[in-house]
Amino acid sequence: DQQVKQNSPSLSVQEGRISILNCDYTNSMFDYFLWYKKYPAEGPTFLISISSIKDKNEDGRFTVFLNKSAKHLSLHIVPSQPGDSAVYFCAASNAGGTSYGKLTFGQGTILTVHP
Amino acid sequence: EAQVTQNPRYLITVTGKKLTVTCSQNMNHEYMSWYRQDPGLGLRQIYYSMNVEVTDKGDVPEGYKVSRKEKRNFPLILESPSPNQTSLYFCASSPPASEETQYFGPGTRLLVL
Repeated sequence: DQQVKQNSPSLSVQEGRISILNCDYTNSMFDYFLWYKKYPAEGPTFLISISSIKDKNEDGRFTVFLNKSAKHLSLHIVPSQPGDSAVYFCAASNAGGTSYGKLTFGQGTILTVHP
Repeated sequence: EAQVTQNPRYLITVTGKKLTVTCSQNMNHEYMSWYRQDPGLGLRQIYYSMNVEVTDKGDVPEGYKVSRKEKRNFPLILESPSPNQTSLYFCASSPPASEETQYFGPGTRLLVL
């Protein structure tokens, strides 16, 4: 049972436009959410996170929005750049519980930003 | 340079031949973890370790063993590999009080024939 789902396997965007990557979760115990970015032949790298006490977190061109009632989060990249082309993984955790460090990942979305 | 290293990066083996994938981090992190990445499934946790001599199962531990004798090393052992363990494996570590923000190694691509 996939507790974290990224329903779009891929997304193609023009340089300079907004990229919106979506993620849904089913486990109401999740209280901390992260986005990781992965380039080919490399490991994932942490991008941005949000706690369930917030509904928005911003870091430069990257903003994550959390809608707890809908169990949905999204990552906005504005403006998109060709170097943003990568696989993006959404991850969730029950950080306030005893299983700290345990991440549940989505399937990933391949973002391609065209020049 | 702060990093997580894995060896080997690529490995082809046959069913039943024991193998070990090494993982080492130089950041003095207490928390370490192993994941496997498979198409359509994302990353799934195999085992994790909160500190030296403290390990526990993740979501998909069957067929794997780990040990944590030193803080910096966290090897993954496949005692009798099978073709369904063909996958891309990642080791990760994270600092105290920020276990969710994990630093990943470059990955080990394993093919079991």
